Amino acid sequence: GENVEQHPSTLSVQEGDSAVIKCTYSDSASNYFPWYKQELGKRPQLIIDIRSNVGEKKDQRIAVTLNKTAKHFSLHITETQPEDSAVYFCASFNTDKLIFGTGTRLQVFP
Amino acid sequence: EADIYQTPRYLVIGTGKKITLECSQTMGHDKMYWYQQDPGMELHLIHYSYGVNSTEKGDLSSESTVSRIRTEHFPLTLESARPSHTSQYLCASGIQGRGYTFGSGTRLTVV
Repeated sequence: GENVEQHPSTLSVQEGDSAVIKCTYSDSASNYFPWYKQELGKRPQLIIDIRSNVGEKKDQRIAVTLNKTAKHFSLHITETQPEDSAVYFCASFNTDKLIFGTGTRLQVFP
Repeated sequence: EADIYQTPRYLVIGTGKKITLECSQTMGHDKMYWYQQDPGMELHLIHYSYGVNSTEKGDLSSESTVSRIRTEHFPLTLESARPSHTSQYLCASGIQGRGYTFGSGTRLTVV
């Protein structure tokens, strides 16, 4: 079955710097890749997603890139702010459900 | 507003008690899911459903059961709660090939 690996598990950056979180997946049939942000004590929220027929997608300070050949996708956050501090989960849609990565705890220091 | 609702938000219960965690969605989604998550940690799929009268076990072995008698309702039942069941339980719903919407979760403590 599908396996999603996510790195790093923790990431600390200075406010204003960029942050990059990387995920790899194993099943080439996977075709949809969402990213979730979970703030402390809150539910995971979908922040951006990408389909397998697209290489990059941007929404203001966040962007996602997909390399189908290498089977990896990444989340890029530019000009980080303290409110970006959260746990981020990548996921891959395979057959009938999302397979989630293990999460990255991002801390943005003022 | 279309959303997914979970009750109760917090629950403290004694060992051996039977409990049901409620999940309802007004989004018209066929697919619903239950996840177990320790705060800020991995999401472990415990049950899911493709639609009415469909239930499947997830990847995490669980002593819970689910039912799906109505499209909008997907309750999770623990027949005999144990301290090892202490965790947060998140319900989600979605449609084929799209991201899920998560509920706010039930934080369960078994004493």
